[in-house]
Order: sequence, then C-alpha cells, then structure tokens
Amino acid sequence: QVQLVQSGAEVRKPGASVKLSCKASGYTFTIYGLSWVRQAPGQGLEWMGWISAYSGNTNYAQKLQGRVTMTTDTSTSTAYMELRSLRSDDTAIYYCARDRSSAMLTGSTDYWGQGTLVTVSS
Amino acid sequence: QSALTQPASVSGSPGQSITISCTGTTGDVGAYNYVSWYQQHPGKAPKLMIFEVSNRPSGVSNRFSGSKSGNAASLTISGLLAEDEADYYCSSYTSSNTLVFGGGTKLTVL
Repeated sequence: QVQLVQSGAEVRKPGASVKLSCKASGYTFTIYGLSWVRQAPGQGLEWMGWISAYSGNTNYAQKLQGRVTMTTDTSTSTAYMELRSLRSDDTAIYYCARDRSSAMLTGSTDYWGQGTLVTVSS
Repeated sequence: QSALTQPASVSGSPGQSITISCTGTTGDVGAYNYVSWYQQHPGKAPKLMIFEVSNRPSGVSNRFSGSKSGNAASLTISGLLAEDEADYYCSSYTSSNTLVFGGGTKLTVL
C-alpha cells in the first residue's frame, strides 16, 4: 500500500533552518511528483512547492522563493524540504503529498504524509 | 497569488444535499481543469475527494461530485451523513505554474 512517512517534530529558533523528510513506499517513486503543503495552527492549507521525482524539476510558491529548497533521493525514495531563515509564522504542520503526475504540477494529490509539526520559537 | 474564495461555513441536515463554491479567476480555475477538492477532519491529513474538476479517486463515495463553470468550481455532497462534517478545501493550478488553495469551508451536519 502507498505510504508517505514523514520525519518527526522539530523545534527551531528564529533565523535557523529545518530540513524535513518524506519517505515513500508502495509505489514507483519516480513516476509521480510530490507537493509540500503547510497548515499553520487553526488556519487553512498553503501550498509551498512541488518537485518531480523523475526529473527533479521544482516549482515553488513565490512567497517562499529563496528560502525553500525541495530535493529527492531516488535511491531511498525520499523527498526533502529545507526551509531557511525561519520566522515565528513558519510554525505549522508540514505535509508531503503525492501528485498524480511527475511531468507537471497538477495539484491532484492522492496520498498524504502524516504531517510534521515545526515550531519556531525563541 | 490570491487564495480562491470559499464560504467560511455551510450546513445541512442528514440526507440533504449541500454545495460548496470555490471562486477563482481567469488565471486559475477559469483556465485549467486542475481543480481538486479535499476533506479534512480535525487532527487529520487532508483527503483527496475530487480531482480534475469532477473525477473521484477510487474509494470515494459517489455522494461527492464536482463541477466547474467559468471561474467557479463547486463541490456537491448529496445524502449528507454525520461523518461528512469536516473542513473542505478547493485547489487549482495557476498560470504562474503554481497551486493555490481556497480558504476552506467548515461543513456542519445539523
């Protein structure tokens, strides 16, 4: 069965960086893409970006450009999302989600990880 | 990119039908058939209910249906059940090659 298992909760100080992982299993990693989506406490969903697990091509949300980097390791079927220069408003649950296409972002994300809580606090 | 516009809340009685709207622009909903709908229960990850405007993933009840007209998409839930009470989000691919979500709609089953 398809599973996306994310790394554990993180606590960081403002200005620091965090790198989250998302390990995929139960499907051929490289024929899909992966989006990262975050949700601040009590708030809605915010799309952060997408990566093709086949080509490594990425699309990032404009507001995060320059602070976020998404990568994949096809040898371990793992995706990573690094966010730098953390601020208090980056406190959120971060989800990885499988996109139905590896060729382009479609937003049709059919499997989601369990989420990783990132807390940014001094 | 501005968020898609959804009503903050909708409600209905068991057995009734409800519709949640999702209004975008000619640069997102109006331009592409990559509109998805998600259900999220408290403390859980979102679940894909509709993709590409009107397609249901395997395992999703046929009580859920999606449509689009112009710059607006809609999710209709028929035969409301108590378990349908949740937050619902729409999303759309955009002309900037990004994705945008709606602000979310809280569905209350009375």
